[in-house]
Order: sequence, then C-alpha cells, then structure tokens
Amino acid sequence: GAVVSQHPSWVICKSGTSVKIECRSLDFQATTMFWYRQFPKQSLMLMATSNEGSKATYEQGVEKDKFLINHASLTLSTLTVTSAHPEDSSFYICSARVSRKGAEYNEQFFGPGTRLTVL
Amino acid sequence: GQNIDQPTEMTATEGAIVQINCTYQTSGFNGLFWYQQHAGEAPTFLSYNVLDGLEEKGRFSSFLSRSKGYSYLLLKELQMKDSASYLCAVRDGFNKFYFGSGTKLNVKP
Repeated sequence: GAVVSQHPSWVICKSGTSVKIECRSLDFQATTMFWYRQFPKQSLMLMATSNEGSKATYEQGVEKDKFLINHASLTLSTLTVTSAHPEDSSFYICSARVSRKGAEYNEQFFGPGTRLTVL
Repeated sequence: GQNIDQPTEMTATEGAIVQINCTYQTSGFNGLFWYQQHAGEAPTFLSYNVLDGLEEKGRFSSFLSRSKGYSYLLLKELQMKDSASYLCAVRDGFNKFYFGSGTKLNVKP
C-alpha cells in the first residue's frame, strides 16, 4: 500500500528558531502533497498544497513567508516553520495524493504527523 | 467557503450501533470521505462516497445525499477499539480536502 513518512515525529525548539519537517512518500511518487495543522481537540486545517517543481499554494490566512514549503522531488516535500513562536505549537500532518490508473478517485494517504512544541 | 458540521462527541455501548452525522456546505463537491483518528495519530481512511446512497464496508457504512448536503457514518457491532475521533471530509473540485471538526466517539463496556 501507499506509505507516507514524516520526520521528525516530534520536536521541541526555542522561540525564534526554525524547524524543518520532512514528508516522504515511500513506495510511490506523489506530484501533490498537502500540509495540515491540527490544534488540540480540533480538526485538520489545510495549510497549503505542495506541487512538485512549482510553488506551493497557500490557504487563506496562512503566511507563506513563515511556512516555507519545498517540493523538490516526487517523493519529498518539506515544511519549514521559520522564526517559530509558542503559538505555532501544533500537530503538523502531511498527506500525499495517489493517482491510481482506473481508480474512481484519488485517495489521500496521511503521514504519522509531527508534534511541534515551541518554548 | 467551506462549512462542515459534525457533533462534537458521542457515547455508545459496546456491541451497539452508532450513527455519526455530517452536514456540509461547500463551494464545489467531488466526494465525501470519512476518516478515523486515534489521539496523537494521523487519520486513516474509512470510506468514500461521491454518488447518493449507501456504501458498506464490513462493520462500517457511509451514506450520502448530495441534494441535502448530508452524510452519515454507521458503525455496527461497536468494539472498544472503535473509540476514536471520526472526521468527515469533503473534497472540492481542485482535489483539496476540507475537514469537519471531528466527532469523538466513546465506546463504553
């Protein structure tokens, strides 16, 4: 099946530092990956759509200069939280869209998530 | 904009049947998905509906009415391990997913 990994699974950093989170599709190529953020007891909020070889598309209210997304290859997308602050502490989850020939829909597979805590 | 509503929390007894409702108002519709999410973990896919009607997968069934903007997830023969949050998600015409706030299901012995 389609497996998506994230690294790191958790990270604690000081306020003002930058943190990079990697999202990899392990056994398939993903031209499109999505980045979500989930605060405690809330649902997933789509932050941006990451397209291989082109600029990411950000949702309204998400600062593109703060959340840098790079989709340099068909199996890797990275999210860098720049100058992190305590309010950025959250659970960040990526997903990759699988396009299957003959399938009636494109399914999304989620990574295990990265818990970011900013002190 | 996208508006997806689900009950916040539900409680049911082991072995029983529970129905989790989801109503949506979205600009563009290209399928409705249900996911299960255990605390601290990523969501896992449960079901998908794009046409009206009922889709059955073992103990789980999902129903969709596009004209009413309504879906439900039906869980039969509840087990303790079914205690989790259940997320309703709508995919728009651009393949973006928008999630409801999730319904936390508590299964009691």
